[in-house]
Amino acid sequence: QSVLTQPPSVSGAPGQRVSISCSGDSYNIGSHTVAWYQLLPGTGPKLLMYSYNQRSFGVPDRFSGSKSGTLASLAISGLQSEDEATYYCAAWDDNLGAVRFGGGTKLTVL
Amino acid sequence: EVYLLQSGGGSVQTGESLRLSCVASGFNFGSFAGAWVRHIPGKGLEWVATISGSGGSTYYAPSMEGRLTVSRDKSKNTLYLEMSSLRAEDTAIYFCAKSTYNLWNGYYESWLDPWGQGAQVTVSS
Repeated sequence: QSVLTQPPSVSGAPGQRVSISCSGDSYNIGSHTVAWYQLLPGTGPKLLMYSYNQRSFGVPDRFSGSKSGTLASLAISGLQSEDEATYYCAAWDDNLGAVRFGGGTKLTVL
Repeated sequence: EVYLLQSGGGSVQTGESLRLSCVASGFNFGSFAGAWVRHIPGKGLEWVATISGSGGSTYYAPSMEGRLTVSRDKSKNTLYLEMSSLRAEDTAIYFCAKSTYNLWNGYYESWLDPWGQGAQVTVSS
């Protein structure tokens, strides 16, 4: 069971904006930076956001991240069909002594 | 181009062993830590193991500790994951990734990049 809690699914129409939340605690998100990954079937996870809301190389500025206390969010604006994927948040967890992943959120583009 | 190419994986019986390999191209993997993460459909991503850049420190997920050995061969720019006493619940796609150690704060960063393409491991009785 993930300590980082994400909604199982979100959806939006092309062109719309969606947000994916990731709730943790003081041992992970509250104390460390958050990364976001995109997972498509048949490929390895792709790093989207890292550190203090930095976009990974080649990631369009439609993707943005934020964090407040123990809650992190990934926002995707101008939704496109190719954004349909599962998104994971991740943070170092002091209790686990390793990187902990959220449960994943499946984004459906209507 | 920077990438990781995985090999190994396959179908085994409960209790058997398997070794996964992960070769780096385009960068010196020996200068970085390496991590293994698995994806169980319906259960998400789960960190499995980490090895330091020097290879002198290794860390394992509690769920698999005692059954894993992560190692590296710097001369081959390669990372390995040896899994023993495999169980049905270990069935997953296993990924390798480059990890970054935060020397200032003493922990591994949450950003792993790049990742390998994944290796399916199926364990059946």
